[in-house]
Amino acid sequence: AQSVTQPDIHITVSEGASLELRCNYSYGATPYLFWYVQSPGQGLQLLLKYFSGDTLVQGIKGFEAEFKRSQSSFNLRKPSVHWSDAAEYFCAVSPPNTGNQFYFGTGTSLTVIP
Amino acid sequence: DTGVSQDPRHKITKRGQNVTFRCDPISEHNRLYWYRQTLGQGPEFLTYFQNEAQLEKSRLLSDRFSAERPKGSFSTLEIQRTEQGDSAMYLCASSLVGTGIYEQYFGPGTRLTVT
Repeated sequence: AQSVTQPDIHITVSEGASLELRCNYSYGATPYLFWYVQSPGQGLQLLLKYFSGDTLVQGIKGFEAEFKRSQSSFNLRKPSVHWSDAAEYFCAVSPPNTGNQFYFGTGTSLTVIP
Repeated sequence: DTGVSQDPRHKITKRGQNVTFRCDPISEHNRLYWYRQTLGQGPEFLTYFQNEAQLEKSRLLSDRFSAERPKGSFSTLEIQRTEQGDSAMYLCASSLVGTGIYEQYFGPGTRLTVT
């Protein structure tokens, strides 16, 4: 079955520590890949996207993500987390030939400890 | 560019009532999407439009849900005979689609509570 999996429901990190949020997908062909962040009361904001080419993509707010075809993964990373990064993070995929429909994972809630 | 806007931001209604939500996309965007997000879940795709044409509606949750985009600009999502299970955040997104794939820009959502 087609799916997007974010295995970590909740992650807690200390401010200044590194962060990695996991995302795995299961589709027949490599989809287009996105990470969004949602703060309380706010809409979803795009952090970064992967369409093709270089498998390491840079995004806003110091985030990066690496596409690994062999693992069907698109993990989000940040070298040093800031307190303002506390939010809900969603991985999304858009399979080819679906009219740009997005399929979202269930999200990972990030808590940052001072 | 004022972003995607949604109105109202919050709606409380009694079971059995009809509700309508409005979405205004980014002005030059030709595609508009509706999603539903329940607590602890990611957004769930409902339907989308390219200009005024509704290209996918099979994933609307039931025949109580309908959407329109009559002039290819703003869109409305209507839920008839609301049920408590309809309580959720309803998100709208828009994108500019030409020859490739483009990211979607999301509005702040309309939170529906059915009592």
